[in-house]
Amino acid sequence: DAGITQSPRHKVTETGTPVTLRCHQTENHRYMYWYRQDPGHGLRLIHYSYGVKDTDKGEVSDGYSVSRSKTEDFLLTLESATSSQTSVYFCAIRTSGMGEQFFGPGTRLTVL
Amino acid sequence: RKEVEQDPGPFNVPEGATVAFNCTYSNSASQSFFWYRQDCRKEPKLLMSVYSSGNEDGRFTAQLNRASQYISLLIRDSKLSDSATYLCAVNKGSNYKLTFGKGTLLTVNP
Repeated sequence: DAGITQSPRHKVTETGTPVTLRCHQTENHRYMYWYRQDPGHGLRLIHYSYGVKDTDKGEVSDGYSVSRSKTEDFLLTLESATSSQTSVYFCAIRTSGMGEQFFGPGTRLTVL
Repeated sequence: RKEVEQDPGPFNVPEGATVAFNCTYSNSASQSFFWYRQDCRKEPKLLMSVYSSGNEDGRFTAQLNRASQYISLLIRDSKLSDSATYLCAVNKGSNYKLTFGKGTLLTVNP
């Protein structure tokens, strides 16, 4: 158990509303990642963080922003949710030198 | 060519069978490689890291072929509980970002 929690676990929202997803870790790992997983596309990296206040974009970052004000929390924000952002969102942490990542339980987001 | 490609399957095998998955990657600078297992509606879980010399963990064997740029996962004596989607992941080295294949669905039948 890598000590990762995500909240909320499920959310239904309407197009145009802001949404923030939270990833929390208990082990002080430096690297944290946000992915989305969609049928036919697999897991795709949205944003990642390599330290407090240090973040960078992944391959599908448009429409998303992130913040990391303390080591244990990594927030993903959809400023104005769209139906194309309906997905399962996973947070992950990197725990070792080889780069293994461990995933949180995921958040199922539906944008109507 | 996509960065990481897997045969999507599905693979349907009887209990006790041996099944092999391959995953090709396009970037020769890739540095580390992993296999994950994902059960339906669950998060991916690390199954094995793949070392240059190959490695084995019980019924599971992972191998890396850098010359041909692929990794493989062999499952021997398949169990019903092995039914899942198997994802390969490749790290190019920059901030340890992983690129995942789309996964291969395995169903082991009684």
